[in-house]
Amino acid sequence: DAGVIQSPRHEVTEMGQEVTLRCKPISGHNSLFWYRQTMMRGLELLIYFNNNVPIDDSGMPEDRFSAKMPNASFSTLKIQPSEPRDSAVYFCASSLGPGLYTEAFFGQGTRLTVV
Amino acid sequence: AQSVSQHNHHVILSEAASLELGCNYSYGGTVNLFWYVQYPGQHLQLLLKYFSGDPLVKGIKGFEAEFIKSKFSFNLRKPSVQWSDTAEYFCAVKNTGGFKTIFGAGTRLFVKA
Repeated sequence: DAGVIQSPRHEVTEMGQEVTLRCKPISGHNSLFWYRQTMMRGLELLIYFNNNVPIDDSGMPEDRFSAKMPNASFSTLKIQPSEPRDSAVYFCASSLGPGLYTEAFFGQGTRLTVV
Repeated sequence: AQSVSQHNHHVILSEAASLELGCNYSYGGTVNLFWYVQYPGQHLQLLLKYFSGDPLVKGIKGFEAEFIKSKFSFNLRKPSVQWSDTAEYFCAVKNTGGFKTIFGAGTRLFVKA
């Protein structure tokens, strides 16, 4: 299994531009999570999906952030417009289900730099 | 609010020293507990997990952790660290209330060769 696949690995963009991060979860996993990691705030859960449906987006920082999961094998996290404070590493993770007795598997992350 | 506390932000050890990283959580009820490791520039990888049964769990690379329910703790241990253990270690908890995995702030371990 290829694991959780994220793209791009690195993204540098100018303030005000739209940024789209992509994630392909492990085949057969029906829960997907987006996390953001910064030095100041550590690892924050932004949103998670179960069976392609957003369950909890309380961690999404502002309306500039949106996430979709159109099918079981693809999710996007979009920032529009981007700001320098959005610079972080964004991780996607997936698990077999939302409940107990499952663990999350992480992708390699996308390092986003907004200048 | 639900939280996970890791006692040390930075730890520096010499090779062959013993390691113990503290982790406490604030949930009641049934929990799943995890330790993840993040090597420099890499993603998070699962070191070990506790779901049920024996509270002493063994993971990869010689790590182990002990779940003490009465203390709401899940401390990570390794009897003899190596330079290659230099990484950041995250404690994480999942409980029955919403199924989110909540991570602690992380502990950066530096092992001197």
